[in-house]
Amino acid sequence: KAGVTQTPRYLIKTRGQQVTLSCSPISGHRSVSWYQQTPGQGLQFLFEYFSETQRNKGNFPGRFSGRQFSNSRSEMNVSTLELGDSALYLCASSSGTTRYNEQFFGPGTRLTVL
Amino acid sequence: AQSVTQLDSQVPVFEEAPVELRCNYSSSVSVYLFWYVQYPNQGLQLLLKYLSGSTLVKGINGFEAEFNKSQTSFHLRKPSVHISDTAEYFCAVTDTGGFKTIFGAGTRLFVKA
Repeated sequence: KAGVTQTPRYLIKTRGQQVTLSCSPISGHRSVSWYQQTPGQGLQFLFEYFSETQRNKGNFPGRFSGRQFSNSRSEMNVSTLELGDSALYLCASSSGTTRYNEQFFGPGTRLTVL
Repeated sequence: AQSVTQLDSQVPVFEEAPVELRCNYSSSVSVYLFWYVQYPNQGLQLLLKYLSGSTLVKGINGFEAEFNKSQTSFHLRKPSVHISDTAEYFCAVTDTGGFKTIFGAGTRLFVKA
């Protein structure tokens, strides 16, 4: 079974721009979660989508948004980029139907904001 | 709300020595507990999980962890580490009613020859 894939792997943007990151979950998985990883803050939960609906949301500003398509692929968008948005963005997929959340992570997209 | 505290940001250890990575959590409800490992330039990989039952959980690569409900801890141990265990380790909790996972800040394990 193919793992979780994320594109692009690396991205450089400037302040004020917007960016879209993509995540393809493991086949059959319906839940996709997004995390921001930075050296100072560790992994911070952004949001989780299940069957095209946002089911959980972290404490990030509205500049961070996401969506999920009918094939479970998910995109994350960040508008009006700030320097502090530089981070590794990780996507994780799971079946989403069990009461525990064993997640399978992609390699991440490293975003650098200049 | 839940929180996870990993008590050590970095743990240096010599090869073949034992290691313990500490994790404490706070939650008003029952939780599931996890340890993940992240090798350089990779995503996270599940090491082991505690859902219920025996409080001693065995995972991959010779790691094990013990759930202690009274101390709200879930420490990770390995009796003899290898150079290849050098990585960052994350403790995580999920409340049994939801699908949101909270991660600790991570512990960087550095195994020296």
